[in-house]
Amino acid sequence: DVKVTQSSRYLVKRTGEKVFLECVQDMDHENMFWYRQDPGLGLRLIYFSYDVKMKEKGDIPEGYSVSREKKERFSLILESASTNQTSMYLCASSASHGGYTFGSGTRLTVV
Amino acid sequence: DQQVKQNSPSLSVQEGRISILNCDYTNSMFDYFLWYKKYPAEGPTFLISISSIKDKNEDGRFTVFLNKSAKHLSLHIVPSQPGDSAVYFCAASVPNFNKFYFGSGTKLNVKP
Repeated sequence: DVKVTQSSRYLVKRTGEKVFLECVQDMDHENMFWYRQDPGLGLRLIYFSYDVKMKEKGDIPEGYSVSREKKERFSLILESASTNQTSMYLCASSASHGGYTFGSGTRLTVV
Repeated sequence: DQQVKQNSPSLSVQEGRISILNCDYTNSMFDYFLWYKKYPAEGPTFLISISSIKDKNEDGRFTVFLNKSAKHLSLHIVPSQPGDSAVYFCAASVPNFNKFYFGSGTKLNVKP
């Protein structure tokens, strides 16, 4: 069964902390994405990557960075967490020109 | 500016009746459309897709209709079941591009 696995389902972090969200896919997909979901705003793209060590900004990259050192792993980094980054974070992967497979999501609360 | 819009944040339907979820888009270059379903505390799961060369695609109880001239697509669920209660997102992409643009979602509630 193909999978996108996000390392944590729930996280609580303090303001100012550096936060790492990890995502691993086992489908050998080229493309990986990080979205956040907020009520009334839907899914907003933070960053995406077409290949190892490549990254592109999405619609709301401010306050975030990413790392893709291996094809199967795509990490989202909150350099200094703030309360407005409290959200559901969703990782997805896709083959070229294909639909997404999503992970189960990480509910992050910043206090 | 959102290129994919779902103007109804919520929809309530009686079990057994038809659910119609709507989606509008602004980019005429979009050629591939998807619908995803999302339960609380879970990631979205793929439901059905349609290419711009078609105007209808059917999969069991789910049918997606595409009206290119109106830049509008809709998802029909017949008959609706309580297990269909979820948030539904539509998404669109341009040719040869890997990124999808998502709507804001419609929360469907199917009442028993």
